[in-house]
Amino acid sequence: GQSLEQPSEVTAVEGAIVQINCTYQTSGFYGLSWYQQHDGGAPTFLSYNALDGLEETGRFSSFLSRSDSYGYLLLQELQMKDSASYFCAVRDEAGGYNKLIFGAGTRLAVHP
Amino acid sequence: NAGVTQTPKFQVLKTGQSMTLQCAQDMNHEYMSWYRQDPGMGLRLIHYSVGAGITDQGEVPNGYNVSRSTTEDFPLRLLSAAPSQTSVYFCASSGPLSGETQYFGPGTRLLVL
Repeated sequence: GQSLEQPSEVTAVEGAIVQINCTYQTSGFYGLSWYQQHDGGAPTFLSYNALDGLEETGRFSSFLSRSDSYGYLLLQELQMKDSASYFCAVRDEAGGYNKLIFGAGTRLAVHP
Repeated sequence: NAGVTQTPKFQVLKTGQSMTLQCAQDMNHEYMSWYRQDPGMGLRLIHYSVGAGITDQGEVPNGYNVSRSTTEDFPLRLLSAAPSQTSVYFCASSGPLSGETQYFGPGTRLLVL
């Protein structure tokens, strides 16, 4: 089976940098995805890592270490609008492309 | 494009009632999924489909049925609602051209009394 662990809550101030970690256990591994969800809204895709290293998209970056079964999402120059829940997700090898398994989420609170 | 649409937005059911949650997408995506989200538990996969006529079970399929007669539509049926099915339900779709991105609908909030 699969399991993903991420911190339940993170707090930071505007302008700061925050890192949200995710460790995973899977029977097979295709890659690690990150999604953002604001309260009352739907999840939206942020990034995907299939290979080791850092992927940068504007203020957000995502890192993967396959050997450590570990990844993180890095948010820079935090803004109030970044207050949301962030989920890491992996694909299930047995189910193939579409069977995406999510972590429980990290709630980020950004304060002035 | 409307993307992924879900109806209804809110629903209250009594225990034992049945209902269908509707999901449609206009992006010609092959892959569609249903998730439920409970507080503090993230998103859990209920059922998914890799194309018309093909469906499979996710992590928490009990009490739910799905069918995929067209590429566009993927309804979720609750056979006999139970209070444990009170949740927010999200439908999502993706396809080869969307890469790793799953597009989510706005969700249906279901309360079972």
